[in-house]
Amino acid sequence: QVQLVQSGAEVREPGASVKVSCKASGYTFTSRSIFWLRQAAGQRLEWMGWINPGNGDTKYSQKFQGRVTFTRDTPATTLYMELSSLKHEDTAIYYCARAGREGCYTTDCYSWFDPWGQGTLVTVSS
Amino acid sequence: DHVMTQSPDSLALSLGERATINCKSSQSVLWSSNNKNYLAWYQQKPGQPPKLLIYWASTRESGVPDRFSGSGSGTAFTLTISSLQAEDVAVYYCQQYYSTPLTFGGGTKVEIK
Repeated sequence: QVQLVQSGAEVREPGASVKVSCKASGYTFTSRSIFWLRQAAGQRLEWMGWINPGNGDTKYSQKFQGRVTFTRDTPATTLYMELSSLKHEDTAIYYCARAGREGCYTTDCYSWFDPWGQGTLVTVSS
Repeated sequence: DHVMTQSPDSLALSLGERATINCKSSQSVLWSSNNKNYLAWYQQKPGQPPKLLIYWASTRESGVPDRFSGSGSGTAFTLTISSLQAEDVAVYYCQQYYSTPLTFGGGTKVEIK
């Protein structure tokens, strides 16, 4: 079955960087874009952007532009999200999620999310 | 940005009752060229990631019980649980995928009375 398995919880100090991994299995890795989202306590789910594993194309939310990088390792069927210059308010659960069957094009991806990884808690604390 | 507003914030119902959750978008999510509403619904149980229930506003995802249904068009949508079960206790979110940034509603917590 389709699965996205994320790396474990991380603790970082303000100003540091964190890299979260998301291993995909159960489908053709390059066939669907992967989104990254986050959920902070008491806040709405937040879309961070997407990566096309087929060609490495990415799109980032303006909110995170310049601070976030999505990459992929195709032989390992693994995606990565790196967030730099961490602030206390970046404390959240970070999720990867696969795009639905429709809605992704060369220039953008308008889709629902299914399935989701189990989530990775990133805590930013001094 | 599309701002998604859900109501109510929470509701407590007895087993077997009907649950109705509303979602309003600040702008239409209906794409006229294909007549599809770019709206999805998710269920999130404590300690778990969200799970897709419905997409295109009313298409139930495979494996989702038929007591869950979605309706609405344009800017106003509804998720209905026809007969509430104990396993339906969760937070429910709507999400628009009409335009980026893709955005979510604030969630509706469903509990058993």
